[in-house]
Amino acid sequence: DGGITQSPKYLFRKEGQNVTLSCEQNLNHDAMYWYRQDPGQGLRLIYYSQIVNDFQKGDIAEGYSVSREKKESFPLTVTSAQKNPTAFYLCASRPGTTRDEQYFGPGTRLTVT
Amino acid sequence: SQQGEEDPQALSIQEGENATMNCSYKTSINNLQWYRQNSGRGLVHLILIRSNEREKHSGRLRVTLDTSKKSSSLLITASRAADTASYFCATDGTGGFKTIFGAGTRLFVKA
Repeated sequence: DGGITQSPKYLFRKEGQNVTLSCEQNLNHDAMYWYRQDPGQGLRLIYYSQIVNDFQKGDIAEGYSVSREKKESFPLTVTSAQKNPTAFYLCASRPGTTRDEQYFGPGTRLTVT
Repeated sequence: SQQGEEDPQALSIQEGENATMNCSYKTSINNLQWYRQNSGRGLVHLILIRSNEREKHSGRLRVTLDTSKKSSSLLITASRAADTASYFCATDGTGGFKTIFGAGTRLFVKA
């Protein structure tokens, strides 16, 4: 099956710990995105990457970090510097530099206590 | 920043009725997209309309775009209980590759 996978579906962490969310795609897409969604809200862009070894900050990048060492993978690390990390995190991808639709993973719900 | 703003925030209708959701945006766009999200799931792309198009259809969906008013509407005809979800508009600007999402319309279709 082609698509985007995110793991795990649910993640629990203690405050002060870094945590890495996985995002993998086998769609051969160049561009990948990370969004944060809070209850009843829309999506806010954290980071995006248009090609391997390159990524750009989105609107709410503080307290997050990413890497793009492989085309298929775009992991997101939520660091202890992120003041309010509990949220639903969505990864997406789309082909090359076209401005067409994005394909979304199922999301990871992170709870930090 | 949120460019797309949906209206209404929530909508409750009976099965079989039509549902209309509106989206307004602020800057020039390359295209406008509508997505659907079931509770606790990822978003699913529904339809994309480019800036030089005025209307587009896909099954029971009809999307219009008015670039002079910077607005779009999504019409779902003959709604079903399974259409219950949140619907988001998203815009791609003429510069850069960021897609900006609105806050969404929560649609509830009663059987």
